[in-house]
Amino acid sequence: DTGVSQDPRHKITKRGQNVTFRCDPISEHNRLYWYRQTLGQGPEFLTYFQNEAQLEKSRLLSDRFSAERPKGSFSTLEIQRTEQGDSAMYLCASSLNSNSYEQYFGPGTRLTVT
Amino acid sequence: AQKVTQAQTEISVVEKEDVTLDCVYETRDTTYYLFWYKQPPSGELVFLIRRNSFDEQNEISGRYSWNFQKSTSSFNFTITASQVVDSAVYFCALIITAGYSTLTFGKGTMLLVSP
Repeated sequence: DTGVSQDPRHKITKRGQNVTFRCDPISEHNRLYWYRQTLGQGPEFLTYFQNEAQLEKSRLLSDRFSAERPKGSFSTLEIQRTEQGDSAMYLCASSLNSNSYEQYFGPGTRLTVT
Repeated sequence: AQKVTQAQTEISVVEKEDVTLDCVYETRDTTYYLFWYKQPPSGELVFLIRRNSFDEQNEISGRYSWNFQKSTSSFNFTITASQVVDSAVYFCALIITAGYSTLTFGKGTMLLVSP
């Protein structure tokens, strides 16, 4: 399977704990995006990378959130001191390059903060 | 700022009925792309179609067809002879080509097709 993969698929954590999600984009895709989706809503943009450079961050990405893509391949999204409001589906997508506007999504990581 | 509106929250049809999902968008940019994605219960967003703002030609792919009308800022999606497997949430999305390339999604329309 050469699609976008995400790990874990589900994560249950207690409020205040830190969590980290991983995303592996489609091979050779330069751009990688993170979105958050809450129940009944469409995905909302969080941040994106061009290779290893983080080019844009949404206002939704508070100081407790940090994302990295150290070698321009996989990416991690970390949430520190989780809050119940962080409960959502976290989606990762990738696209070939800056001229390719089709984004291909992974299966998502569903986070539940208790 | 961009905005995508999908006024239909949920649509229920019986198998073999035709159904149209509405999408209205707002942008001040003249160059943009419109998309439709399907999100089945498994959660993964599946890309269906991309349409360039300069190409208003309608498109048909099997039972799916799309009607893009710039005059009304709409990009509607029709499923002909719906099937149970079409049950999913469908999202319309917009991306402008200037600046950073991030998708703006609508809230989605849940389609329930019953046998």
